[in-house]
Amino acid sequence: SQTIHQWPATLVQPVGSPLSLECTVEGTSNPNLYWYRQAAGRGLQLLFYSVGIGQISSEVPQNLSASRPQDRQFILSSKKLLLSDSGFYLCAWSAPGGISGNTIYFGEGSWLTVV
Amino acid sequence: AQKITQTQPGMFVQEKEAVTLDCTYDTSDPSYGLFWYKQPSSGEMIFLIYQGSYDQQNATEGRYSLNFQKARKSANLVISASQLGDSAMYFCAMREVIGSSNTGKLIFGQGTTLQVKP
Repeated sequence: SQTIHQWPATLVQPVGSPLSLECTVEGTSNPNLYWYRQAAGRGLQLLFYSVGIGQISSEVPQNLSASRPQDRQFILSSKKLLLSDSGFYLCAWSAPGGISGNTIYFGEGSWLTVV
Repeated sequence: AQKITQTQPGMFVQEKEAVTLDCTYDTSDPSYGLFWYKQPSSGEMIFLIYQGSYDQQNATEGRYSLNFQKARKSANLVISASQLGDSAMYFCAMREVIGSSNTGKLIFGQGTTLQVKP
């Protein structure tokens, strides 16, 4: 069966410091990978998605970047964090291909607090 | 533009009773998928149920069923025999297929907080 893991689960970082959140998927090949962010008490916003190694699409301009160095690894990064980057970050995956019914499965999430 | 609307910020239900969480959507694309997710206080987003725009029958998964009314553009979630563990935030989401490309972008509603009373 497929599993998705992301870490760290909780992170407190000072303003201006770098960020690296990592996500890995097991049990599938060539998944679509996603990074979402959730502000407190609100729905999720798609930040990045990737359909293959080195292929990253950004949904919103921001202080963050994403990379996919391996097929099942997705990394969210920032060189200098802002207070507004605080939130709950969720990595997700779905089977490859353009089918609307492909369910998106989420990881456990990472709570980021920028202080 | 595509949009998902959940008009119930919070709901209460008595344990063992059924509850309906409302969701309406707006899209001009004939092919789309509708999802419901549960988010407990731990934060994890748990997939509950899926309904395709071309599915003839309403989706069901255990105690969850989706009341899909395409003409009204509504996709309400029905939870039967509520349990204390059902207390969580519930999100309705929509995914579209655009041509042969599917980014997997889910458009989420604002969510409904459900509290099950013992």
